[in-house]
Amino acid sequence: DAGVIQSPRHEVTEMGQEVTLRCKPISGHNSLFWYRQTMMRGLELLIYFNNNVPIDDSGMPEDRFSAKMPNASFSTLKIQPSEPRDSAVYFCASRISGRTDTQYFGPGTRLTVL
Amino acid sequence: SQQGEEDPQALSIQEGENATMNCSYKTSINNLQWYRQNSGRGLVHLILIRSNEREKHSGRLRVTLDTSKKSSSLLITASRAADTASYFCATDARNNDMRFGAGTRLTVKP
Repeated sequence: DAGVIQSPRHEVTEMGQEVTLRCKPISGHNSLFWYRQTMMRGLELLIYFNNNVPIDDSGMPEDRFSAKMPNASFSTLKIQPSEPRDSAVYFCASRISGRTDTQYFGPGTRLTVL
Repeated sequence: SQQGEEDPQALSIQEGENATMNCSYKTSINNLQWYRQNSGRGLVHLILIRSNEREKHSGRLRVTLDTSKKSSSLLITASRAADTASYFCATDARNNDMRFGAGTRLTVKP
């Protein structure tokens, strides 16, 4: 099993640019989570999907952030326009809802907005 | 928003010593989990304890849960340098909604 796959692993962009982060969950997992981790705020849940449907997006900081899950094997987190304060490591995690509570994390995308 | 709060924020011990980390939470939970994060990597699940359990073991790990005090502890016995990492507790209060604490940074000196 390849585990949760995230791309890119590192992203450096300039303020105002659009950023798209990608995630491929573990095959068969039907819940997907996006987290943001910073030194100041720790690990924050941004949004999660269950069976491709967004369940709770209350953690999404602003309208500049959007997430989609067009199918069971792919999700994107988009920031438009990006700002320096968005610099963080973004993690995607997946799990099987209803069978196990364990989340499996991807390696993360380190985003730097200049 | 964070649910669990780990204590201490940082812990430094010698190899072979035991390490104890604590977690407090605010609302009723279905279960509580501990995760480990090595620098620059994603979180890895260590152990899960359900709300009706009081203690659980896995190798050198021992987790306790006190729902009356809304707290949990993670004990790592006979620590090794390779145990150096950040440790997070996470609570699952509602189905599919998990909240992480700020973590405890553990350093095990060889």
